Amino acid sequence: NAGVMQNPRHLVRRRGQEARLRCSPMKGHSHVYWYRQLPEEGLKFMVYLQKENIIDESGMPKERFSAEFPKEGPSILRIQQVVRGDSAAYFCASSPRAGRPEAFFGQGTRLTVV
Amino acid sequence: GENVEQHPSTLSVQEGDSAVIKCTYSDSASNYFPWYKQELGKRPQLIIDIRSNVGEKKDQRIAVTLNKTAKHFSLHITETQPEDSAVYFCAADNAGNMLTFGGGTRLMVKP
Repeated sequence: NAGVMQNPRHLVRRRGQEARLRCSPMKGHSHVYWYRQLPEEGLKFMVYLQKENIIDESGMPKERFSAEFPKEGPSILRIQQVVRGDSAAYFCASSPRAGRPEAFFGQGTRLTVV
Repeated sequence: GENVEQHPSTLSVQEGDSAVIKCTYSDSASNYFPWYKQELGKRPQLIIDIRSNVGEKKDQRIAVTLNKTAKHFSLHITETQPEDSAVYFCAADNAGNMLTFGGGTRLMVKP
């Protein structure tokens, strides 16, 4: 049973471009969480999704950031018009159901904005 | 929402000594308290967790204690080894779902 899979592992974007980060949850898991880790800092919650629903997006910036978890396929975190401050590691975790906060993280996507 | 404070931010110990990292949280409704170890450039890995119905849990050289009344919990590592060197994060759950993390402790074990 593969763990949480994220791709790409590394992503370089120029300022103003779009970044798309993908997360495939563990098999049988229908809940996905995205966290951001700025250099030398802890992890900050961004968004919590269930299949086809956003449950909690309180940690996600209102502008330029969006997330989805379609019925088929991976969850996508999309950052439009990236700026240098978006450079960070983005980690995804999955859970089989609500009320299970245990987080097993994917390898992360390290976004660098140049 | 939940707020988690973690201390110290850096900790240097001699190999074989013990290391203790402490966290406090604000939301009395939190029930799940995990600890993660993160090596440079890698993902956070769950090393031990505790739920609010117990006060202490141990796994070999690692133990965690929880004081719900005071709203604090601690990680104890005994007989530290150089491979224990990493950044450690505590966390607490929000309404049983997402986690709020502390700021991290950089542990350095000197051989």
